[in-house]
Amino acid sequence: DTGVSQDPRHKITKRGQNVTFRCDPISEHNRLYWYRQTLGQGPEFLTYFQNEAQLEKSRLLSDRFSAERPKGSFSTLEIQRTEQGDSAMYLCASSFYNEQFFGPGTRLTVL
Amino acid sequence: DQQVKQNSPSLSVQEGRISILNCDYTNSMFDYFLWYKKYPAEGPTFLISISSIKDKNEDGRFTVFLNKSAKHLSLHIVPSQPGDSAVYFCAASARNSGGSNYKLTFGKGTLLTVNP
Repeated sequence: DTGVSQDPRHKITKRGQNVTFRCDPISEHNRLYWYRQTLGQGPEFLTYFQNEAQLEKSRLLSDRFSAERPKGSFSTLEIQRTEQGDSAMYLCASSFYNEQFFGPGTRLTVL
Repeated sequence: DQQVKQNSPSLSVQEGRISILNCDYTNSMFDYFLWYKKYPAEGPTFLISISSIKDKNEDGRFTVFLNKSAKHLSLHIVPSQPGDSAVYFCAASARNSGGSNYKLTFGKGTLLTVNP
């Protein structure tokens, strides 16, 4: 399978813990995106990388959130001191041009 | 303020008939539009897109129409099949200063149910 992959698919954590998610994009795609989706809403943009450079961060991405793409390949999204409001589906997408292709998502539940 | 609106939360059609999903947008800077299909517990799957320089794009059973003056687009599925039952999201993007479209703004989605 050469699509976008995300790990883990599900994460349950206690409030205050740190979590890290990984995204492996389609290999030839130089652009990588993170989105968050909550129940009844469409995905909301969080951040965007072109190669290893993080070019934009949404206001949704508080100081507790950090994303990296160290070698322009895979990316990680870390949430520190998780809160119950962080419970959501975290989606990664990649693209070469305008059409973005999404991974299966990581479902985060903060207890 | 929702910049992309899908005003119908759900739509039910009979197998073999046409499904028409609608989307309105308010940001006149949007110049690229996409439709995604999403099954439960999966990520969105890209279906079809259209640039603002066109008013129609067709791919198999899927056709997207864009009316720039009305800031409205629609997705037509003909003929509809039970496997098309999913949530459909409309998304839009605007070109940035570097000439690239990247940040997608999504609607809330429309649940399509195709009955056998």
